[in-house]
Amino acid sequence: ETGVTQSPTHLIKTRGQQVTLRCSSQSGHNTVSWYQQALGQGPQFIFQYYREEENGRGNFPPRFSGLQFPNYSSELNVNALELDDSALYLCASRVGGTDTQYFGPGTRLTVL
Amino acid sequence: DQQVKQNSPSLSVQEGRISILNCDYTNSMFDYFLWYKKYPAEGPTFLISISSIKDKNEDGRFTVFLNKSAKHLSLHIVPSQPGDSAVYFCAAAYQGAQKLVFGQGTRLTINP
Repeated sequence: ETGVTQSPTHLIKTRGQQVTLRCSSQSGHNTVSWYQQALGQGPQFIFQYYREEENGRGNFPPRFSGLQFPNYSSELNVNALELDDSALYLCASRVGGTDTQYFGPGTRLTVL
Repeated sequence: DQQVKQNSPSLSVQEGRISILNCDYTNSMFDYFLWYKKYPAEGPTFLISISSIKDKNEDGRFTVFLNKSAKHLSLHIVPSQPGDSAVYFCAAAYQGAQKLVFGQGTRLTINP
């Protein structure tokens, strides 16, 4: 148990739609990161939020955006869904200044 | 550009024997390394980490070795147990960076 929860567990969308995925971090974990894990690959960094501001981004287009809230919850929003967006989306939280990230169970997104 | 590589997609080991999982990296700026274990339908679970100032770190049955000159790390599990069957990811980070860079994973199967 990492104390990190994600919802929903599974989601099916069609191409062009928009989706919002949610994460609730451990209390006191002021840094949250989102990762995309395609089948057979390791997780790929999307972006990170610290104290409600984005402070790092991987190689993902602007249609991937996020929010972090004061209650340690966060969102990942993806607009104009593409078939290649089908993946497991993981959020990970940590205390700022430390390196170990703790992952939630993920949301499996399928885009048809 | 795969900065962290796990060249063995799978590994099969007899119960009670030693499991050795390997990982290579190319970025000499990495100074912190982690191993995660992942079961199906769950997020990655943190196992053990090592800082670049050390060459070995132990935690129970798990030991991580770091060879900086070879840019290589390994995870040893002794003795291996059936519950260790999972996908193992190595990940790397460098101070000040927000993201973890993951390898592709190695599927470990422990046979009774």
